[in-house]
Amino acid sequence: EAGVAQSPRYKIIEKRQSVAFWCNPISGHATLYWYQQILGQGPKLLIQFQNNGVVDDSQLPKDRFSAERLKGVDSTLKIQPAKLEDSAVYLCASSLVYSLNTEAFFGQGTRLTVV
Amino acid sequence: GESVGLHLPTLSVQEGDNSIINCAYSNSASDYFIWYKQESGKGPQFIIDIRSNMDKRQGQRVTVLLNKTVKHLSLQIAATQPGDSAVYFCAENMGDSWGKLQFGAGTQVVVTP
Repeated sequence: EAGVAQSPRYKIIEKRQSVAFWCNPISGHATLYWYQQILGQGPKLLIQFQNNGVVDDSQLPKDRFSAERLKGVDSTLKIQPAKLEDSAVYLCASSLVYSLNTEAFFGQGTRLTVV
Repeated sequence: GESVGLHLPTLSVQEGDNSIINCAYSNSASDYFIWYKQESGKGPQFIIDIRSNMDKRQGQRVTVLLNKTVKHLSLQIAATQPGDSAVYFCAENMGDSWGKLQFGAGTQVVVTP
């Protein structure tokens, strides 16, 4: 079974530039998550989708971050404009169903460096 | 605010010994907890989970213990192997939506020969 695919693996941009990350979840997985992991910290949930609808985006900095999941499959996360503090690994995860104890599978992440 | 945290940032364990990783949580309403393992350059990988109506759950070489009285979670790894070297995170379901997890800061486990 193919895992969660993310691209690019690495990205370096200057502050105030824009960047987009792409995620392809495991086939058939209804729930998709984007997490931000700053170096030395645990992942922090940014947004959660159920199919193509947003379940939770309470921790997404909406003035600069946006995400979409058109057609309920692939998802993109965008930052515009980027700040130095956005340097982190952005992890995408998916789970089969929307329930309490469904396992979430993570991709390898995109490491973003803002200079 | 309420949070999940770990007692020890780094744990050095000799190969073959048992490892114990501890985690404190403060949200008494949390009803689901997960341990994840994250190797360098990879995303977190599910190890084991436990619901709040249980005190103990065992997997292959791993055991999770939950003490709701003192809001403490631990992960025990039996016969630690070099492949167990990684950062381990505990996470709790934040309660207001399924799958919304709050992660602790992580414990680096280093297995020495």
